[in-house]
Amino acid sequence: EPEVTQTPSHQVTQMGQEVILRCVPISNHLYFYWYRQILGQKVEFLVSFYNNEISEKSEIFDDQFSVERPDGSNFTLKIRSTKLEDSAMYFCASGQGSVYGYTFGSGTRLTVV
Amino acid sequence: QKEVEQDPGPLSVPEGAIVSLNCTYSNSAFQYFMWYRQYSRKGPELLMYTYSSGNKEDGRFTAQVDKSSKYISLFIRDSQPSDSATYLCAMSADNFNKFYFGSGTKLNVKP
Repeated sequence: EPEVTQTPSHQVTQMGQEVILRCVPISNHLYFYWYRQILGQKVEFLVSFYNNEISEKSEIFDDQFSVERPDGSNFTLKIRSTKLEDSAMYFCASGQGSVYGYTFGSGTRLTVV
Repeated sequence: QKEVEQDPGPLSVPEGAIVSLNCTYSNSAFQYFMWYRQYSRKGPELLMYTYSSGNKEDGRFTAQVDKSSKYISLFIRDSQPSDSATYLCAMSADNFNKFYFGSGTKLNVKP
């Protein structure tokens, strides 16, 4: 069964540092997403990406965040200067924009200290 | 305004019981409705996907959407201990962009 792969599974970083979270979506998918889940809270939308550009972003996704699909297979989320409140589980998802729904990766747990 | 409301539970049932999980929503533009299962510290796993109103059945799982009441349900028949997880509803207006998730209902099926 095709999977969305995320690396690393857990990252600890100092406040103010830059982090890059990596995702390999399912190969024939065209739509890519980042969501996050703060411990004990809802899964929250961050950004959607299609045709090499952002199609929608939430108010959480401010100038500190950026996404990139650098090589046609990877999909990355960069946080430029991490804050304590960025600590969360970050999920990448991909889909075909069809009735088959969207597949999530297992997530990267980001801990900002 | 909370877009999607879901009772967080926990819901504890004996093995073999029929489980009913529900979400309500406020945005009448939602047309795409999903149920995900999430095990602890894992990503959400898609269980059911429905478009607009009606029922959809897949094995022991049945999803129902009532757009007039802005109410969706997931029924699990003959529940098993392996069904113990958090169940998340999610919905979208256009199927391509932002999904709104409920807070999840934690289900425990006791052997």
